[in-house]
Amino acid sequence: AQKVTQAQTEISVVEKEDVTLDCVYETRDTTYYLFWYKQPPSGELVFLIRRNSFDEQNEISGRYSWNFQKSTSSFNFTITASQVVDSAVYFCALSEERAAFGSGTQLTVLP
Amino acid sequence: SQTIHQWPATLVQPVGSPLSLECTVEGTSNPNLYWYRQAAGRGLQLLFYSVGIGQISSEVPQNLSASRPQDRQFILSSKKLLLSDSGFYLCAWSRRGSNQPQHFGDGTRLSIL
Repeated sequence: AQKVTQAQTEISVVEKEDVTLDCVYETRDTTYYLFWYKQPPSGELVFLIRRNSFDEQNEISGRYSWNFQKSTSSFNFTITASQVVDSAVYFCALSEERAAFGSGTQLTVLP
Repeated sequence: SQTIHQWPATLVQPVGSPLSLECTVEGTSNPNLYWYRQAAGRGLQLLFYSVGIGQISSEVPQNLSASRPQDRQFILSSKKLLLSDSGFYLCAWSRRGSNQPQHFGDGTRLSIL
């Protein structure tokens, strides 16, 4: 069975600090996909990134970066120079067609 | 482009009343459709999953049901709401394939009195 663990329930940082959100997954599949979603206070989940299991290159998009390490079954998400608008709940997910979501990490960025 | 519409945005219902939440997707065909509940916190609980018209998979036993009368329409229902049904309900769609991300509606905040 697939499982995603986001051990950090809540994180608070001060604006401009860097913050890393952890995601650890379990799967028996050799081919799989990992996702990150953002849920701002308004409620809708927004898709941020997808990674496939064959591509371990780190990815950077502006202030966001993702570190995928198969050896540790982790797919961590780092926000550099955090901003108040980054405050949200962030979900990591592992695919099958139904997807297994982690329990989410509430990130609060204080001004 | 694809869009997903979910309504109503908020709903207050008495215990024992029926429920009908509707979700429609535009701009794509044959999507996978999902209903989630997020209760008073963060975790997303998958309630129902559909790969086609009339094909519904239920993930957890409950007094809710789902139907897919048309390709891009997904309805969440209950005949008699319980207090425990309160929560934030999210509809989502995805293309076929495990590499496809899900795209979520704006959600319905349901309060049971």
